[in-house]
Amino acid sequence: NAGVMQNPRHLVRRRGQEARLRCSPMKGHSHVYWYRQLPEEGLKFMVYLQKENIIDESGMPKERFSAEFPKEGPSILRIQQVVRGDSAAYFCASSPGEGSAEAFFGQGTRLTVV
Amino acid sequence: GEDVEQSLFLSVREGDSSVINCTYTDSSSTYLYWYKQEPGAGLQLLTYIFSNMDMKQDQRLTVLLNKKDKHLSLRIADTQTGDSAIYFCAEKDTGFQKLVFGTGTRLLVSP
Repeated sequence: NAGVMQNPRHLVRRRGQEARLRCSPMKGHSHVYWYRQLPEEGLKFMVYLQKENIIDESGMPKERFSAEFPKEGPSILRIQQVVRGDSAAYFCASSPGEGSAEAFFGQGTRLTVV
Repeated sequence: GEDVEQSLFLSVREGDSSVINCTYTDSSSTYLYWYKQEPGAGLQLLTYIFSNMDMKQDQRLTVLLNKKDKHLSLRIADTQTGDSAIYFCAEKDTGFQKLVFGTGTRLLVSP
């Protein structure tokens, strides 16, 4: 049973480019969460999605960031026109459903903006 | 809003016990968690405790919860060099189920 899969593991983008981060939840999990970890800091919540629905996006920056979790395929976190301050590790977590205690994390995507 | 605080560093000798502490503010949290992060890696779920429990033990790990003081601790018995990592405390938001993390405690275990 594969865990939460994120790709790519490392991503380098020039300022102004777009970054697309992918997350495939664990089998049977329909809830996906995205978190961002800045260097030397804890994880900060960004967005919570279920299939085809955004449930809570209170942690998402208002501009340039978007997320989706389509009916088929992985969840995508998209960052348009990246800036140096977007450099961070982006983690995805999945859980089976609301009220579930366990949330399992992927290995993360480390985004570097040059 | 929710806030979770941890001390930044802890240094112990191999074989000693380690105690990592955490305080949180959301009294209605349903679950509280401990995650371990090794350099360059993701977060590994170590253990979690339901908010109506006082203690949970899992092999070398003991979690203590003082709900009145909103204080959570993780005790690692017989600490090994492989336990060196950053340990994050997190609480589960009762509204939308997101996790709120502390800033992490860096545990250094010396031989």
